[in-house]
Amino acid sequence: KQEVTQIPAALSVPEGENLVLNCSFTDSAIYNLQWFRQDPGKGLTSLLLIQSSQREQTSGRLNASLDKSSGRSTLYIAASQPGDSATYLCAVQEGGADGLTFGKGTHLIIQP
Amino acid sequence: EAQVTQNPRYLITVTGKKLTVTCSQNMNHEYMSWYRQDPGLGLRQIYYSMNVEVTDKGDVPEGYKVSRKEKRNFPLILESPSPNQTSLYFCASSWGPNNEQFFGPGTRLTVL
Repeated sequence: KQEVTQIPAALSVPEGENLVLNCSFTDSAIYNLQWFRQDPGKGLTSLLLIQSSQREQTSGRLNASLDKSSGRSTLYIAASQPGDSATYLCAVQEGGADGLTFGKGTHLIIQP
Repeated sequence: EAQVTQNPRYLITVTGKKLTVTCSQNMNHEYMSWYRQDPGLGLRQIYYSMNVEVTDKGDVPEGYKVSRKEKRNFPLILESPSPNQTSLYFCASSWGPNNEQFFGPGTRLTVL
């Protein structure tokens, strides 16, 4: 059964720093990987979707990479801002009709 | 605005009192699903639907029912809620199970 792990569970950094969030999954036979951010009371917002054939995706200050063979993905946030404070979730889709398998998230705090 | 809506957003009820959480999407998506999020366990899929009148169990379906009579709506029904169903519930929709998933704002349910 697929397991998704996110490290670290929590992270606090000063504003302006570049940072990396990590996600690993046990079964490399995935169809795609999606990064979300979760804000209290506002649900999940999709940030980036990487297909299994892709190596990375970029959106603004965010860059997500995927190394399917090693079962790893990273989310790089450049020039962090206090508004980036949230919980970041990684989820994989294995290609069937089932849903996403989620990690437990990284709780990120950007200190002003 | 493309969105997934859920109602109610917050609900406190008592054991055994039937309730329904509604989910609606305006993107004409075929695939819809329900998740619950619990501390330490992350998000887990309850039920999903590939299209109208087509539903199937996810990872944690016990105690829940769903229906898909129209493409846009996918209500979650708890016929006899119990305290272990206290959780944060999310509805999601997409073009298919392997496409980018869009989540609703969540429904926080407390069963006393």
